[in-house]
Amino acid sequence: DTAVSQTPKYLVTQMGNDKSIKCEQNLGHDTMYWYKQDSKKFLKIMFSYNNKELIINETVPNRFSPKSPDKAHLNLHINSLELGDSAVYFCASSQGLAAQFFGPGTRLTVL
Amino acid sequence: GESVGLHLPTLSVQEGDNSIINCAYSNSASDYFIWYKQESGKGPQFIIDIRSNMDKRQGQRVTVLLNKTVKHLSLQIAATQPGDSAVYFCAERYGGATNKLIFGTGTLLAVQP
Repeated sequence: DTAVSQTPKYLVTQMGNDKSIKCEQNLGHDTMYWYKQDSKKFLKIMFSYNNKELIINETVPNRFSPKSPDKAHLNLHINSLELGDSAVYFCASSQGLAAQFFGPGTRLTVL
Repeated sequence: GESVGLHLPTLSVQEGDNSIINCAYSNSASDYFIWYKQESGKGPQFIIDIRSNMDKRQGQRVTVLLNKTVKHLSLQIAATQPGDSAVYFCAERYGGATNKLIFGTGTLLAVQP
């Protein structure tokens, strides 16, 4: 199936831990994104990479660090997790400025 | 469950009726708009898009209308089905070299059988 995939789907961890979420797309797109969706369903862009180059970097704590090893992968590493980081994180991809297609999400719960 | 405490604007329609979901966008310079459907526990799913040089675009059972004068976007769903029940988001792109989307707050469409 051609799609955007994320792992893990669920992540439960303690405050202060470091965790990573992985994203892969096999759509052949050149641009990938990370979004955060809070408990009120509000969806906000965090980062975007185009051909492994960071092009959108919103006001996000520097505990969040995206890494793009190649244009089909965009991972999100979070250091020193806080309660407020609990949310659903979505990866998306697009070909340039075209429509973005989203992955299934990773529900992060910080205890 | 996931929706406990969630108070999204809700549109309740009967199966078979037409649905109209409205969205006010914020930036008069936005050049591109998308509607997404998000079912419970899933990621947003692309429905239809429209560029700012158009005022109407039709897909299968869906139509998007754009009124730039009042910065208003609507999604019309014909013959609404139970499978259309979801949260619907509009998104605008502010323009420029990046594909940065700003999402609206979402509308919950509840289809009554």
